[in-house]
Amino acid sequence: KAGVTQTPRYLIKTRGQQVTLSCSPISGHRSVSWYQQTPGQGLQFLFEYFSETQRNKGNFPGRFSGRQFSNSRSEMNVSTLELGDSALYLCASSLEDRGIGGYTFGSGTRLTVV
Amino acid sequence: EDQVTQSPEALRLQEGESSSLNCSYTVSGLRGLFWYRQDPGKGPEFLFTLYSAGEEKEKERLKATLTKKESFLHITAPKPEDSATYLCAVQAGSGGYQKVTFGTGTKLQVIP
Repeated sequence: KAGVTQTPRYLIKTRGQQVTLSCSPISGHRSVSWYQQTPGQGLQFLFEYFSETQRNKGNFPGRFSGRQFSNSRSEMNVSTLELGDSALYLCASSLEDRGIGGYTFGSGTRLTVV
Repeated sequence: EDQVTQSPEALRLQEGESSSLNCSYTVSGLRGLFWYRQDPGKGPEFLFTLYSAGEEKEKERLKATLTKKESFLHITAPKPEDSATYLCAVQAGSGGYQKVTFGTGTKLQVIP
């Protein structure tokens, strides 16, 4: 079956712009989480959604937001981009609530802010 | 604040040379501990979930164990294809608030 699909794979944006990243979870998975991965900080939790409701949010500024649609697809938005937002953004889905059974990750969107 | 520390940061093994990776954690209300493998340019790949102290899980050459303060990922007779970064994560919290915290990983290189 199809895995977690993230689009686009690569993105280059200018400081001050905004960006929207998309994630399609595995069919049947209702839990979707987003992570930011950088060489210095590793994987940091952004937010988690389950059945269109945001369950948890990490320690990121309000410029980072997300949502989940009724078909479980999710988007995250970053407004007023800063150079430090350059990172690999990973989406993960889980069959069970709160990902207790383990998450399946997508290959990520590599965002470069110039 | 929840903390997850992995050691060593990097490990270089000869093919067939068994070893262990460590993940120590300080969290309140552990719900589960996860091990993932990540190859360059890809997202992490789920390996195991451990829920309580004393639990063990095995998959091919990998065996994960859990105590109240740490988890070990034992690699028996590794092969070059086991080369990857291994990530540990803990899910903790209670009630409506639960959070997953990742360690920074152990980069494993297995030399033929």
